[in-house]
Amino acid sequence: GENVEQHPSTLSVQEGDSAVIKCTYSDSASNYFPWYKQELGKRPQLIIDIRSNVGEKKDQRIAVTLNKTAKHFSLHITETQPEDSAVYFCAANSGSGNTGKLIFGQGTTLQVKP
Amino acid sequence: EAQVTQNPRYLITVTGKKLTVTCSQNMNHEYMSWYRQDPGLGLRQIYYSMNVEVTDKGDVPEGYKVSRKEKRNFPLILESPSPNQTSLYFCASSFTLAGTGEQFFGPGTRLTVL
Repeated sequence: GENVEQHPSTLSVQEGDSAVIKCTYSDSASNYFPWYKQELGKRPQLIIDIRSNVGEKKDQRIAVTLNKTAKHFSLHITETQPEDSAVYFCAANSGSGNTGKLIFGQGTTLQVKP
Repeated sequence: EAQVTQNPRYLITVTGKKLTVTCSQNMNHEYMSWYRQDPGLGLRQIYYSMNVEVTDKGDVPEGYKVSRKEKRNFPLILESPSPNQTSLYFCASSFTLAGTGEQFFGPGTRLTVL
C-alpha cells in the first residue's frame, strides 16, 4: 500500500539557520501533500500544504517543494527561531484524492538552539 | 468557537472492557477521521468518513469500529481493547470531502489498556 518516508527523524539547528525535512511517497496518484506541526503536548496543526499542480509554495519563512517525477517533497524553514522547535509531519493522500485516505510520515523532531 | 472536541481526554481501562471515545465538531465538516499516534510511527489513520453513514478503513482499522449517524459526531469504539491499543488518539475533521484540505484536530485522548 501507500507509504510515506520522512527524514531525518531528528534535526538540531542553530537559531537563524535553515532547516530542511524531506519526504518520499509511493502512490503516483497522490495529489495533496500537507505538513503539520505538533508542539509538545499539543494537537497537530497544518502549517502549509501543496497540491500536485504546483512545484513550490511559500508562506513567509516556510516553503514546500514538490518533485512529482521523483515522488518527493520537502519542507524548508528559513531563519529558524526557538518557537519552531516541534515535531513536523508530512503526509500524502492516497488514491488521487478521492478516497479520503491520508498517510503520514514518521515525524521529524526539530530542535532550534538559541 | 469552531472546534473539535474529544471525550474522555484520558482513560485507563482493562483488557476486554468495551469503550467508546466520542468526537464532535461544530464546523459542519463533511469529512472526519481517527488517527492513533505512537512514538516513532507518526500518525496512522484508523477510519475516516466522507459523509453521514459513509465510513471506510484507514491503515490500521483492526480492533476498532466507528459510526457516522450524524454529521457532527464520529465515535470510535473499541469492542475488546487490548494492550497494543494503548496510544494517543486524535479525531480530525475537514471541510473538503476527501480530507484534502486542512484537517482540524481534536485535543487528543490518551488511552492506556492494562
